[in-house]
Amino acid sequence: GAVVSQHPSRVICKSGTSVKIECRSLDFQATTMFWYRQFPKQSLMLMATSNEGSKATYEQGVEKDKFLINHASLTLSTLTVTSAHPEDSSFYICSAAIASDTQYFGPGTRLTVL
Amino acid sequence: GEDVEQSLFLSVREGDSSVINCTYTDSSSTYLYWYKQEPGAGLQLLTYIFSNMDMKQDQRLTVLLNKKDKHLSLRIADTQTGDSAIYFCAEKAGANNLFFGTGTRLTVIP
Repeated sequence: GAVVSQHPSRVICKSGTSVKIECRSLDFQATTMFWYRQFPKQSLMLMATSNEGSKATYEQGVEKDKFLINHASLTLSTLTVTSAHPEDSSFYICSAAIASDTQYFGPGTRLTVL
Repeated sequence: GEDVEQSLFLSVREGDSSVINCTYTDSSSTYLYWYKQEPGAGLQLLTYIFSNMDMKQDQRLTVLLNKKDKHLSLRIADTQTGDSAIYFCAEKAGANNLFFGTGTRLTVIP
């Protein structure tokens, strides 16, 4: 149980384009989903927290207009990186939780912006 | 914000025990977690401990918590090559937020 998937697992895009990453909880309903970013050989940095049906809460320093988060249902959250630039290249990981319970992580999406 | 620290590297021989240490600063932590990350993959929850517990054992894994010193450790018994990965400790402070340590890269030498 508690499986979280992400799609795509890898994406390469040109600078200036937008990329959407999906995060799904497959066997449970997640009231809260989280988006993290991980740079090579570094720890995870929380970008934002989203609750179903409401606006995401962004961490300090994360541009909400650049990283659009939509949490339309209890099993799906999406992260859209708008007008991507090479410095946005990173490993993006989502997690899902039921209320304040344990977070279960997706397998991650590696974004490369050329 | 909260500060969670780990040593960056650990090497052990196959069959030996591994001990990965973590220190944290937030005394109001409710849960503390250990996650495993293999190359290019997401995080796998290994185990967690509630802050009012001292120890938790789960098969080859033993978690020790010293709340007074804000020190958490993960012991892996009979370490195998498949245990080679990066291990993150994380503390839960507040309703949902997890704060991760820097990660410890465990290398198991055959």
